[in-house]
Amino acid sequence: DAKTTQPTSMDCAEGRAANLPCNHSTISGNEYVYWYRQIHSQGPQYIIHGLKNNETNEMASLIITEDRKSSTLILPHATLRDTAVYYCIVRSINQAGTALIFGKGTTLSVSS
Amino acid sequence: EPEVTQTPSHQVTQMGQEVILRCVPISNHLYFYWYRQILGQKVEFLVSFYNNEISEKSEIFDDQFSVERPDGSNFTLKIRSTKLEDSAMYFCASSQMGTTDTQYFGPGTRLTVL
Repeated sequence: DAKTTQPTSMDCAEGRAANLPCNHSTISGNEYVYWYRQIHSQGPQYIIHGLKNNETNEMASLIITEDRKSSTLILPHATLRDTAVYYCIVRSINQAGTALIFGKGTTLSVSS
Repeated sequence: EPEVTQTPSHQVTQMGQEVILRCVPISNHLYFYWYRQILGQKVEFLVSFYNNEISEKSEIFDDQFSVERPDGSNFTLKIRSTKLEDSAMYFCASSQMGTTDTQYFGPGTRLTVL
């Protein structure tokens, strides 16, 4: 089972920041937080990952709390094309080659 | 930017028939995976493959399923005798071996079993 808890759905206005929370209260010290998204029925798309420091790339920012029990994915200027299901996944550093365990994710709806 | 590709995009088959789904992973990646997603349900892991061996498999991946890397570029999933409940999107993924081991997914093959 997924080790994370996410809201079922969220809405965001186009051009505004979308902040997607994730709870991973049982995370251990050697586990990364990964974010993927799935647009309609396409393959999951990697967004970003982090261990304990905040991370930023061209798609998003990842803010991880100091106790690492929760994180927030930030899409700074959401567009209609960001409408998707967003998955927060916890995975061990030492688990190369093993499964990603997907939960139900958060359905983000971006509207104009 | 390199990407995982899959063929066909849609496969329709009769129950009991064999199907082979094909994937071309990213060229310098060493781990390969198959996942499936039944309509309206979660993405589920099937199998991972490394160094010409299965490294992990789920309980879904029973004797009806097999994987193969027949040459240096392709990675295939075979379902020997398809059932109605095998109808799903099948996603291939690949990753470089490494500390973070990020998996990159293909666009999927929609399998419809009639």
